[in-house]
Amino acid sequence: DAGVTQSPTHLIKTRGQQVTLRCSPKSGHDTVSWYQQALGQGPQFIFQYYEEEERQRGNFPDRFSGHQFPNYSSELNVNALLLGDSALYLCASSLGGVNSPLHFGNGTRLTVT
Amino acid sequence: GESVGLHLPTLSVQEGDNSIINCAYSNSASDYFIWYKQESGKGPQFIIDIRSNMDKRQGQRVTVLLNKTVKHLSLQIAATQPGDSAVYFCADLHGSGNTGKLIFGQGTTLQVKP
Repeated sequence: DAGVTQSPTHLIKTRGQQVTLRCSPKSGHDTVSWYQQALGQGPQFIFQYYEEEERQRGNFPDRFSGHQFPNYSSELNVNALLLGDSALYLCASSLGGVNSPLHFGNGTRLTVT
Repeated sequence: GESVGLHLPTLSVQEGDNSIINCAYSNSASDYFIWYKQESGKGPQFIIDIRSNMDKRQGQRVTVLLNKTVKHLSLQIAATQPGDSAVYFCADLHGSGNTGKLIFGQGTTLQVKP
């Protein structure tokens, strides 16, 4: 039973570019959340997708957008990259409708130069 | 504002001793709490959770205690092993029906000395 998988594992981009990160949820999960984790910090909530719609959003600018597909997989897009966007981006999946643990992938390490 | 905080950024224990990691939260409406373990280069790994209608929950070698009066929770690890070395985060869920977001603390680094 595969857990949450994310791709790519590492990515280097230049300031101003755009990036797309991908996530496949744990089997049986229908909800995907994205988090940004700066070095030495706890993860910060970006947004959550359920039934292909953004259900809740954290304090991130509109440069951060996402999508959920019918198979529950998800993408995170970041436009006009800034140096400060360098971080570990974590995807977590869970079952919607019930407070239950989020299961995290190992993340995508994004470096913006 | 909302926040979740840990009392110590680093905790160093001897192998075989018990470890206690503390966490304070600010949102009185929080009703679901989770502890995660994060090893270097990996994502957070679920350890144990507790709902606000409980004050104690036990797992394998781990116990979580919740004190809603002072908005404090702790993670106890029995017979700490080298493999327990990692960063530990407490998180609380804001919102119900799993529509909410997890608010994480800064993390406590547990170092286990052989």
